[in-house]
Amino acid sequence: DAGVTQSPTHLIKTRGQHVTLRCSPISGHKSVSWYQQVLGQGPQFIFQYYEKEERGRGNFPDRFSARQFPNYSSELNVNALLLGDSALYLCASSFVLRTGGNEQFFGPGTRLTVL
Amino acid sequence: DAKTTQPTSMDCAEGRAANLPCNHSTISGNEYVYWYRQIHSQGPQYIIHGLKNNETNEMASLIITEDRKSSTLILPHATLRDTAVYYCIVGGYGGATNKLIFGTGTLLAVQP
Repeated sequence: DAGVTQSPTHLIKTRGQHVTLRCSPISGHKSVSWYQQVLGQGPQFIFQYYEKEERGRGNFPDRFSARQFPNYSSELNVNALLLGDSALYLCASSFVLRTGGNEQFFGPGTRLTVL
Repeated sequence: DAKTTQPTSMDCAEGRAANLPCNHSTISGNEYVYWYRQIHSQGPQYIIHGLKNNETNEMASLIITEDRKSSTLILPHATLRDTAVYYCIVGGYGGATNKLIFGTGTLLAVQP
């Protein structure tokens, strides 16, 4: 079975540009979360979507936005890129949101470099 | 969300048990303890989780103290492939989101 897939694997952009990152969850999983991981730190929560609705948002500026499609895949958009947006962007999927014990499956990530 | 405290790094000899501690003194009654690991340049991998009782699966064992203020992840026979950053996370008790709050984790280096 395919795991969580993300595209592209690597991306180089310049300051001020816009970027779109894509994620396909494990088949049957309805929840997708996005995380940002800068070098030397643990992943930081950006967004969570469940059944195409935003269920959680981390402490990120409005330049960051996301959406989830009817097939449960998701896009993360970042506008007006800054040097500090350079990071590994991780997508995680889980089956449902339920009381406790949600195992999340992470993709390999998209490495974004902003020059 | 409860905070966790982990040692920055640990060493373990190959074939020996690796015991990774985690303190979570502010954990609330309905919060789970999760362990994930991240091998260099890969996405985090789920290992195990528990609420009150000790848990074991094919990868590891999780020992949670009776007061739930600390826990230990045990890799029974560490191999070189277990070298990774291990994250102890508390939360995910349900509601609108099951977001994970990562700290900086413990870098476990398994030595040959």
